[in-house]
Amino acid sequence: QKEVEQNSGPLSVPEGAIASLNCTYSDRGSQSFFWYRQYSGKSPELIMSIYSNGDKEDGRFTAQLNKASQYVSLLIRDSQPSDSATYLCAVISPNSGGGADGLTFGKGTHLIIQP
Amino acid sequence: DAGVTQSPTHLIKTRGQQVTLRCSPISGHKSVSWYQQVLGQGPQFIFQYYEKEERGRGNFPDRFSARQFPNYSSELNVNALLLGDSALYLCASSLVGLGTEAFFGQGTRLTVV
Repeated sequence: QKEVEQNSGPLSVPEGAIASLNCTYSDRGSQSFFWYRQYSGKSPELIMSIYSNGDKEDGRFTAQLNKASQYVSLLIRDSQPSDSATYLCAVISPNSGGGADGLTFGKGTHLIIQP
Repeated sequence: DAGVTQSPTHLIKTRGQQVTLRCSPISGHKSVSWYQQVLGQGPQFIFQYYEKEERGRGNFPDRFSARQFPNYSSELNVNALLLGDSALYLCASSLVGLGTEAFFGQGTRLTVV
């Protein structure tokens, strides 16, 4: 059973501070890692993808991947009230049939940015 | 460019009925995946299609089926609806199949009564 674990929160962060979101996954064969943002009542929106160990930065967002520890994180710098949302961690693992079993999601972390 | 489009946006069905949900991927994308999201949970993978062939299937009963058409659009069918099928059904498209970035449509909110 492939699992992705996230702290459901809520995680409350003051405006302007750094928000740190964490995720662990169970399948060592996982190859692709993603962070999605989901506002209440809306569909998930892709924020970051990361495929190799290390950091990847895009604007105020930094994704970090450590495959040895099976750990993925997302840092949001200069947090804004508009960043308040649920953040979903997702991984992809290949299946034995030469395809992929799609994205396996965590339950998401509810982030609240306090003005 | 148009993103992923799904129809209908909302749907109410009665237990035992059948439903068909539709999805058009981003232009140029050849892979479509379907997900079910119930309140408070992350989306759960149902199917992935790439180049009109099924490439992955999640842990859903045979009441769920899907197909992809030559223009890469897709349909998800659910037969013999149960109350527990009430959820947000999401379609995602990817440029190619395995492991690439997936972009979601706005979803179809299905309510089974």
